[in-house]
Order: sequence, then C-alpha cells, then structure tokens
Amino acid sequence: EVQLLESGGGLVHPEGSLRLSCVASGFSFSTYTMTWVRQAPGKGLEWVSSISGWGYNTYYADSVKGRFTISRDNSKNTLFLHMNSLTAEDTAFYYCTKRGDTYGLFDSWGQGTLVTVSS
Amino acid sequence: DIVMTQTPLSSAVTLGQPASISCRSSQSLVHSDGNTYLSWLHQRPGQPPRLLIYKLSNRLSGVPDRFSGSGAGTDFTLRISRVEAEDVGVYYCMQATQFPLTFGGGTKVEIK
Repeated sequence: EVQLLESGGGLVHPEGSLRLSCVASGFSFSTYTMTWVRQAPGKGLEWVSSISGWGYNTYYADSVKGRFTISRDNSKNTLFLHMNSLTAEDTAFYYCTKRGDTYGLFDSWGQGTLVTVSS
Repeated sequence: DIVMTQTPLSSAVTLGQPASISCRSSQSLVHSDGNTYLSWLHQRPGQPPRLLIYKLSNRLSGVPDRFSGSGAGTDFTLRISRVEAEDVGVYYCMQATQFPLTFGGGTKVEIK
C-alpha cells in the first residue's frame, strides 16, 4: 500500500524558512515524479512544485520560484520542500503527491502538513 | 498559464439523481503527443484530494463507474450517474498538459 507522510509544518514568522518532508513507502520511490500541492485554508488547490524521479528535472509555480526548492533523497524515500522568505500568502496545507505513469495521474496523496506564516 | 474555469460553483443534488460539472480551459489541453491531460479530483471536508479521472476519461482503479469524464479541446465534463451520500464534497478539474499545472476553482456538491 502506498503511503505518503508529510511533516515539518508549523508556525513561522514572515521572512522565515521551513523545510517540509514527505516520507514515502509502498512503491519504488525513485521511479516516480513527486509533486507538492498546497491549499490555503478554505480555498482551492494550487500546484507548487514537481521533481522527476532522479531529481534531474524540477518545476515551480511562479508564486514560489526563487524562494522554494524541491529535492529528494531516493536512498531515504523522502521528498523535501525547502521554503524561504515565507509570507502570509504561503499559509496553507501542503500535500505531497505521487504522480503515476502519465501526466496528471496523481494517484496517491499524503494527509498534508499545515504551514502558518504569521507574526 | 492555462486558466481552468469550473461551473457551477455549487450544486445541490438529490440522492440517486445524476449530476454534472463543467470545466473550461483557456486554451486547448491537447498535448503534442495527442493526449488530453485533464484530471478530476474529489475532496471531502478535512481530507486530502483524491483522484477520480485522469487523461480525460480514465477512471483510477477503485473509482466507482458512476463517475465518468468526457470532453475535448477546451470543454470538459464530469458526470455522476447516480449521486450517493459519499459523493459530497468539492470537485476540482486540473490540467497537466503543460506547466504550470493549474486547477479549477472547485465545485461544491451537496445533497438536497
């Protein structure tokens, strides 16, 4: 059974930094593109960033480009999202999701971790 | 960026009756490989999203066959043939044809 477990969320001051982690199990982690999607409380879904299986290709939403860095450690089956220069607009639940064998096939999702940016 | 527009914003449906949600993209979602990477997701309150449909009309394994996706180019529809109580929540369309991936604003489905 595929499992994705996010951690690292919490309360952070504006301009602060945070690192989110997503530990994966139940599948061959290095084979799959992984993605972060976020959702501000009471709002819709927003794609944040994606990374290919071996990490060679990364993609970012304009809203986080230059501030967030996606990475992965395939030896530890772990996906990361390093977030810098956080603002109130980054307050959201952050979901880790596994992309299947084709574009848009987000077949597994974690439960999410809440990031709150506030002074 | 491709803008995804869903209608209606909300829908109250009678149990056992059909329901449909529309999604329109600001440009064609036909990829250079000929496929249309339009997905539908469902989110219940307090839960992460769950994928229902991918690549326009393919149901994810385990998704009931009362859910179906259709459409072409820029206009897409999710249909629920007979709504059940567990179908309440918010439905999102999403395009994965090009980066940045973009979602529709969501359609809230509730039982009348």
